[in-house]
Amino acid sequence: DTGVSQDPRHKITKRGQNVTFRCDPISEHNRLYWYRQTLGQGPEFLTYFQNEAQLEKSRLLSDRFSAERPKGSFSTLEIQRTEQGDSAMYLCASSTALQGAYGYTFGSGTRLTVV
Amino acid sequence: TQLLEQSPQFLSIQEGENLTVYCNSSSVFSSLQWYRQEPGEGPVLLVTVVTGGEVKKLKRLTFQFGDARKDSSLHITAAQPGDTGLYLCAGTGNQFYFGTGTSLTVIP
Repeated sequence: DTGVSQDPRHKITKRGQNVTFRCDPISEHNRLYWYRQTLGQGPEFLTYFQNEAQLEKSRLLSDRFSAERPKGSFSTLEIQRTEQGDSAMYLCASSTALQGAYGYTFGSGTRLTVV
Repeated sequence: TQLLEQSPQFLSIQEGENLTVYCNSSSVFSSLQWYRQEPGEGPVLLVTVVTGGEVKKLKRLTFQFGDARKDSSLHITAAQPGDTGLYLCAGTGNQFYFGTGTSLTVIP
C-alpha cells in the first residue's frame, strides 16, 4: 500500500469554475476525512466518512462544497463556483475506526489556487 | 474554532539548541497527537499520548501530556536542520481538532 493518495497535487482555476479533487485512502481504512489548511495554520476539519456514510460536516462546508464516497473506498470533494477565499491546501486523511482516536495518515494534499 | 493554542507561533533557532513547544486548551482530550508537516506535504504523525502525565520519547523529541489531559509539550534536544517544519498538536474530543501550529526553523 502506498499510503493516502490525492490527485491532483496542484490546481489553478479561475473564479467561478468548478473543481473536483480525489482521495484514495489506505485500502483497509474505513474512515476518510477532509481538511482545509491555509498557509501557516493548522488544518480545519471539513467532513468525514465511515465507509460510504458521511457522518459529520463542518459549518465551514458551505453549500458550494460537496463530498462523496460512493463505494466506501475513494472520495471526491467538489467545490462549485470557486471563490478566491477557497484558495488553500485540501488534505485527505484516513484511519480505521479504532485508530481514529490515535492519529490519522494524511495524503500530500491538493493545493488549490483560485485566480 | 481552534480549541488548541500552540506557542510560540514561530521559532527560529541555531543548530544544537534546545526548544519546547506548548499546546494548551481549556478542553479535556481523550488523546492528543503531535504531527510534523513540511512545506507542500501533509502532516506526518509523530506520536500519540493517551494517559494524563504520560511522557514519550522519540530519539531527540520528548512529548508530555498534562496530568489533566488539557495540554501537552514537545521538547527537542540539540535541534538539527532536519527538524525544520510546522509542528501541529491535535486532540480527540467530540471531534478531531488541530492546534494553531508552530513553525520551527533550525539554522545550520
